[in-house]
Amino acid sequence: NAGVTQTPKFRILKIGQSMTLQCTQDMNHNYMYWYRQDPGMGLKLIYYSVGAGITDKGEVPNGYNVSRSTTEDFPLRLELAAPSQTSVYFCASTKGGRDSAYEQYFGPGTRLTVT
Amino acid sequence: AQTVTQSQPEMSVQEAETVTLSCTYDTSENNYYLFWYKQPPSRQMILVIRQEAYKQQNATENRFSVNFQKAAKSFSLKISDSQLGDTAMYFCASTGSSNTGKLIFGQGTTLQVKP
Repeated sequence: NAGVTQTPKFRILKIGQSMTLQCTQDMNHNYMYWYRQDPGMGLKLIYYSVGAGITDKGEVPNGYNVSRSTTEDFPLRLELAAPSQTSVYFCASTKGGRDSAYEQYFGPGTRLTVT
Repeated sequence: AQTVTQSQPEMSVQEAETVTLSCTYDTSENNYYLFWYKQPPSRQMILVIRQEAYKQQNATENRFSVNFQKAAKSFSLKISDSQLGDTAMYFCASTGSSNTGKLIFGQGTTLQVKP
């Protein structure tokens, strides 16, 4: 049981480039989330999904896109990377519902630098 | 907008002593969940403890306990018998919506345990 996995661990992008951050969970969780963490700050929600085919914006969605074609995968797409997107990105998932208290399991994070 | 506030950017405690980290939150929801996460230098997000708002009893997990004051919207974390391995950033988080599990994080408190 690997939990939540993210690839890559590190990436350096040039301004204007695009990339996809991969996230996979093997716990059959319906709910998945993408957060970003800027230096010395708490995490902020970018996008989330409550099930395959359903996605919605979080606090800071500009410059990002997501898709959820399967229960397991929730990739985050960065189009036209900007220095403001330099951050650590975390993917998380939860079973959802009162029994789980929406307790989220986090991946190890991806450190992205845009120069 | 819902907010979570941690008013102590940094704290320190001597090994084996007790320390309390503060957190206040603002929500209009009736049903919500509160969490404390630990983030060591490895940057992995580790769940420390969770509290369901509908439960009056304060949650405890070994050396970790919370003081949940629902009317005051306060959710502090007490760490007893502090250990060197407790040195980390601690984040308080609240679900922004009771049926999506979206988390709103505080700014974090850096805790250093001194030998």
